[in-house]
Order: sequence, then C-alpha cells, then structure tokens
Amino acid sequence: KNQVEQSPQSLIILEGKNCTLQCNYTVSPFSNLRWYKQDTGRGPVSLTIMTFSENTKSNGRYTATLDADTKQSSLHITASQLSDSASYICVVALETGGYNKLIFGAGTRLAVHP
Amino acid sequence: DAGVTQSPTHLIKTRGQQVTLRCSPISGHKSVSWYQQVLGQGPQFIFQYYEKEERGRGNFPDRFSARQFPNYSSELNVNALLLGDSALYLCASSLVGVYEQYFGPGTRLTVT
Repeated sequence: KNQVEQSPQSLIILEGKNCTLQCNYTVSPFSNLRWYKQDTGRGPVSLTIMTFSENTKSNGRYTATLDADTKQSSLHITASQLSDSASYICVVALETGGYNKLIFGAGTRLAVHP
Repeated sequence: DAGVTQSPTHLIKTRGQQVTLRCSPISGHKSVSWYQQVLGQGPQFIFQYYEKEERGRGNFPDRFSARQFPNYSSELNVNALLLGDSALYLCASSLVGVYEQYFGPGTRLTVT
C-alpha cells in the first residue's frame, strides 16, 4: 500500500532554534518527493521538490534531504522564526499511467514560541 | 499575477444537499486537481483534469463529480452531502500533470 508517514506529529521549539522533521514512505513507482508548508486554513505552499537522483535541496532556511534507498526524507529548518509555525506536509508523487498521483502525509504541526 | 482562486471561501450546507465548488487556475495552467483535507489530516486526492478530460480519480464515491471548462476553470460537485464531507477542499493547478502544482486557499465546507 502506498503510504507516507511523518514524525513527529507535532513539535514545539523556541524561536531561533533548529529542528528536523522526518518522512518515511512506501510508494512505488516513485517519481518525486516534495515538502509543503501549510498555514492553518490555507492551501499548501511548495518548499522543495526532489527527484530520485537528488540527495539534498535547499530553499532559504529550509533544507530537505532524500535517501531513495531507505525511502526516507527529512526537512531541516534553521534558525526558526515565529512565522515558521505551520503544518509541514511530505508528499510523494508516483507515476501512474502518464500522470503523477500525489500521496500526502498527515503532516507535522510545528509551533515556534518566542 | 493572480494565483489559484477558489470560491466560495466558506460554505455551510445540511445533510442531503448538493454543493458546487469553483476553481480558477493560474493563467496558462491547463491541469487542475481537487483534494479533500479533513481537519488534522493531509489532503486526499479526488480528481485531476487536464485539457478538459479526467486524467485521474481517487477513492471517492460517485457522489463526487467534477468538470473542466474550455477556459480551464473547474467545478467540483458533491451530491447527497454527508456529515463526513465536512472538510477543506483544495484546488491545485499546474501547466501539465502535477509536478509544479500550486494550491488555492481552499473552500471550507461544513455539513450540518
């Protein structure tokens, strides 16, 4: 069964600290993996997209890693800010008959406190 | 440059009613996808349309239907609403497929 599991479910950190979110997936055939940030009640916004051959990709203070062998990904947030408080969703795309189908994780809810 | 727009923002319906949600993709985007996001969970894929044809369908009952118009806007229809249909309905657009997909703000549907 195609699944994406994220951990932790929720996380509280102090402003300025770093944190790492985890994503494990069992999706085949794999096309790409992306991380989204979703503010409460809003649509997700893409942070990074990585294909099979990419091990790491950065977007400002966000750095995503991908280990296609172990089917694990992480999102590292550096020097957190209050505005980083949101849900972070790991999404894996699989190729099915000419179009990509997206499998979403349940998300990690991050709260950054002053 | 306008992003993906959805209407209405919020909607309250009673069980058994029908609802139509609307989505306008980013200019030039020909693919539209619909997702349902129940509170506390990740989005679940409902439909993908490309060039006005259905290209993918998730595990949703036939009460859910959609269509894409010649201007690439899209509507999602849900008939015989159930309490469990209460969710944030997200529309996403892309040039083709779902590689670079941009989400709209969503429509919050509450079924009472």
